This record gives sequence, C-alpha cells and structure tokens, in this order.
Amino acid sequence: EIVLTQSPATLSLSPGERATLSCRASQSVSSYLAWYQQKPGQAPRLLIYDASNRATGIPARFSGSGSGTDFTLTISSLEPEDFAVYYCQQRSNWPPMFTFGPGTKVDIK
Amino acid sequence: QVQLVESGGGVVQPGGSLRLSCAASGFTFSSYGMHWVRQAPGKGLEWVAFIRYDGSNKYYADSVKGRFTISRDNSKNTLYLQMNSLRAEDTAVYYCAKDCSSTSCYAGIDYWGQGTLVTVSS
Repeated sequence: EIVLTQSPATLSLSPGERATLSCRASQSVSSYLAWYQQKPGQAPRLLIYDASNRATGIPARFSGSGSGTDFTLTISSLEPEDFAVYYCQQRSNWPPMFTFGPGTKVDIK
Repeated sequence: QVQLVESGGGVVQPGGSLRLSCAASGFTFSSYGMHWVRQAPGKGLEWVAFIRYDGSNKYYADSVKGRFTISRDNSKNTLYLQMNSLRAEDTAVYYCAKDCSSTSCYAGIDYWGQGTLVTVSS
C-alpha cells in the first residue's frame, strides 16, 4: 500500500505570500497525483490532476510539480479565499487503488 | 452542469446496514468511473471504493473490504454503496465523486457531491 506524507501539517502565512506544500509517496506513483482544496463544511475541490495540470476554473496562482515520490503544490500569492486544507491523492496503476495524504492546513498568520 | 446528490445517510446501530445512493446528472454517467470517499468528523479524507464506468470492476479500501459493496445502475444514472456490519469507526460524511478518467486525465476526482452523514451509534 502506498502511503502519502504531507508537510508541513500547518502553514501559517499572510495574504500575498507564497505557499509551498509538499507531498511525498512511499514508492513511486509516476505522475499519478492530484491536489484538492477543502474549506470547512464543503466538499473537496480538485485543483491539480496528473501532478501538474490545473483543473477547469482553477486560477493560475495554483501550480503543481513533481514526479515519482516527491510533489509540490505552490500557491504563488495567497488570496483570502485560499486559506483552507489541502490534500494530495495518488492513484495506483494496477490494481487501481487510491490514497489521500493527511492534509496541510494553510491558515492566516 | 455536473450534479451529484447523495441520499440515504442516517443513524444506524453497530452491526446494522445502510444503503447510500447518488443521483448523477449533467454528464454521461455511463462513461466515467465513480468513487465513494468518506471523512470522519474532524478528520481527513479516506477513499472507500471505486467502480469502473461499466460496473465491470470494483475496488475497495482494506478498511471496508467484505463489508461494503459499490454498484451502479447506468440506466438510472445512479451510484450506490451498500454498507453492512457497520462499526462506530464508519461514522463519517460519505461523498459520491466522479473520476476524471479520460484520454487527458488519469489521476483526479473532478466532481464531488455535498455528502451524506452516516452515524453508527447505539
């Protein structure tokens, strides 16, 4: 079973700052990794699929990078609405199995 | 627009059963794999089950294997989750979600319902 580790657990930043979130897999997942944003009381929202592709309607300040075991989600300049919890998720090739990381909370400093 | 509406949640005693439904609209349901993902109160996301677009294959998290069954009725655009032998640790909001699977997307769950709460308690 592939385990995802996210760091840091909490990131305290101010609006306008750059956020860098990390996701590490226990074994290679190639580029089969996605990122989600979740706000309290809401369903998750897909931000990035296949490691580096922005989902429909996602602002350009969100970007994803990485392959293999190390991945990064970058928010270039935090907007007030970006303070939320972010999860990474991998998809194994065969059999198709899916795992979420524990999440990184981005809160206002 | 894509809509996923879950129903069937509620309070059930340990050892009991419950069936969740998810009504899908706004896309060609029969062309996409579908997931159930859950979130215990105050906790992170946990993938539960996945079913291929035609129902031919189903996959489960170890925590629910043998107790939960995912199924779909493409004629009714509906996804199901039959939950048996429920435990307190199954208490969570259960989300129905659409897989992005296409020629241009492999890893991503692109649409989610608002969730239905399942509480397992005596």
